[in-house]
Amino acid sequence: DGGITQSPKYLFRKEGQNVTLSCEQNLNHDAMYWYRQDPGQGLRLIYYSQIVNDFQKGDIAEGYSVSREKKESFPLTVTSAQKNPTAFYLCATGTGVFYNEQFFGPGTRLTVL
Amino acid sequence: LAKTTQPISMDSYEGQEVNITCSHNNIATNDYITWYQQFPSQGPRFIIQGYKTKVTNEVASLFIPADRKSSTLSLPRVSLSDTAVYYCLVGAPDNYGQNFVFGPGTRLSVLP
Repeated sequence: DGGITQSPKYLFRKEGQNVTLSCEQNLNHDAMYWYRQDPGQGLRLIYYSQIVNDFQKGDIAEGYSVSREKKESFPLTVTSAQKNPTAFYLCATGTGVFYNEQFFGPGTRLTVL
Repeated sequence: LAKTTQPISMDSYEGQEVNITCSHNNIATNDYITWYQQFPSQGPRFIIQGYKTKVTNEVASLFIPADRKSSTLSLPRVSLSDTAVYYCLVGAPDNYGQNFVFGPGTRLSVLP
């Protein structure tokens, strides 16, 4: 949405395969986040990054990995160690004086068959 | 972390004012209150943020009493397109938002 691109919108993978979800932003925001949303539920934080080459685990980081080599990019890899990877994945950037205002991308719906 | 409690769902009719109240009894001194809106299969969208008293923008108003243990999002004259899930979050500025907890939110249904 706006300056945040997530691709693809829908993704299908076989069980046991790793898959990487893309998140690119041109908003020049320092902070970036990955959330997972299951049907009818709120969002849960997977990983976040406040600055290039630094990132921190969120509440449900197990089975996921990230990198932040560029300010504009924060890809998320869903590994085979993630027990139930089928979900809606949302990338966000943080801005505002205190990073409390987050802007979200359109999301990627991952289905593992 | 400041825990928030909101009604699971609300119904309203077009043209009415809708007030959604959020409880956050253990809000910390440094916490701000932020509301987001989410449509199906989309990412949440920032609506409004405040610390105390009243904040108003072109979309909504946020009322925060002096004790800050609750807050009320007010949507004036809702339309069908306001049907969405609304999330109330509290968070401290020095945590860069990583401790935001998006609970199940309030599912608002606007009826014709």
